Parts: sequence; C-alpha cells; structure tokens
Amino acid sequence: SQQGEEDPQALSIQEGENATMNCSYKTSINNLQWYRQNSGRGLVHLILIRSNEREKHSGRLRVTLDTSKKSSSLLITASRAADTASYFCATQDSNYQLIWGAGTKLIIKP
Amino acid sequence: NAGVTQTPKFRVLKTGQSMTLLCAQDMNHEYMYWYRQDPGMGLRLIHYSVGEGTTAKGEVPDGYNVSRLKKQNFLLGLESAAPSQTSVYFCASSFRANEQFFGPGTRLTVL
Repeated sequence: SQQGEEDPQALSIQEGENATMNCSYKTSINNLQWYRQNSGRGLVHLILIRSNEREKHSGRLRVTLDTSKKSSSLLITASRAADTASYFCATQDSNYQLIWGAGTKLIIKP
Repeated sequence: NAGVTQTPKFRVLKTGQSMTLLCAQDMNHEYMYWYRQDPGMGLRLIHYSVGEGTTAKGEVPDGYNVSRLKKQNFLLGLESAAPSQTSVYFCASSFRANEQFFGPGTRLTVL
C-alpha cells in the first residue's frame, strides 16, 4: 500500500519559475526522503528530512516537514530544463522500509 | 566506483519461463532491496536484505524469490513468469536505513 501521496500528479512551468510539490502520508515516520527519476533511469536521492526537523535546504532545493499535518513539500527554485523529471517522496517508518508515493511529473518549458 | 549495477537491462520472457536478475553493489552496503515500478505507481518493495545470508518479504513478494549469498550481490528470481510481472525492476542498496542508491533498472516483459 502506498503511504505517500504526491500532489500535483503533474506540473508544467516555465524555466526560471519555482516548482512546489507536496507529499502527504498516513502513519508515524522516522524520516521522509525525496528522490528524482529522469525518464527511463534509476532514482536519485535528493534530500532526507528527519521527523524532528522542520526544514532543510540543499542547493536550490528546500524541503519542509509538518508532522502534525503529516505532510511535506519540496520547493525547487529557479527551475532549469534539467529539472524535468518525476519526483517521489518516500517515508521511512520504524521497520526501516521506504514506502513510496506515485510521484509528481515535472516539466520545465524553455 | 560503479555504484549499483543490474543485469540484464532488458528481457522478454514467455509465460512460465524462469529467470534471475542480478544486482551488484560496490559500496559495502549492508542493506539491499528489490522494487518493481509500474506505470502511474510508485515503487513497491518485493524483498529486501539487511545483511549477507538474510532476506525478508516486502509488500509484493508473491511469485519472486531472492538470495543474498554474498554481501555485494542480491539476486531476484522468477520461477514461473506471468504477464502480471511485466514491469521495471530496480535494485537499491543503503548503509543501514539511510538514503538508498539505485541501479539503472531492468525492463522485463512477460508475453
């Protein structure tokens, strides 16, 4: 069963704009992770935020976590064509397994 | 370092045939995982291993078997392939329960 649900399912923006994706989950977590998948390729880890953290930054990425609402958001600032990909959130529980959402497909238009 | 590699990259099977997918990692990771990815869905965990000689079932283990005889290798077997097993299979590894590193995937079609 899927734990995380990303919103929106698809997002198309102009290059240079910011992109925001949201993830909701259902149960208690140890951490939440965001991954990127380029078409036909494997997944690449972007950022991990622990349950006791509220915000984390990595380059142009900003992730927030609200455990009271069981939700997270991923913000990509100043988007580039190379950011075109699918983005997945995954939650890790006490069993240390990752439970994945269905992903947000992001298209950056030049 | 090669990271995580998967063999083969593509495969077409007929219903009832068997095959083994090989995953290898050179990062000395204890944990290894097999996932399947179907269109419009996230990854679903098939089996995983937390160390050499140990395996455990994930969310969708039926129809698959695994073995972890060496720390660096994790094999996924399909004993009697079915069309429902048509999917893209990803292997991943991690140092304990942290970020996972993925292989490039194996695209399997069962006719």
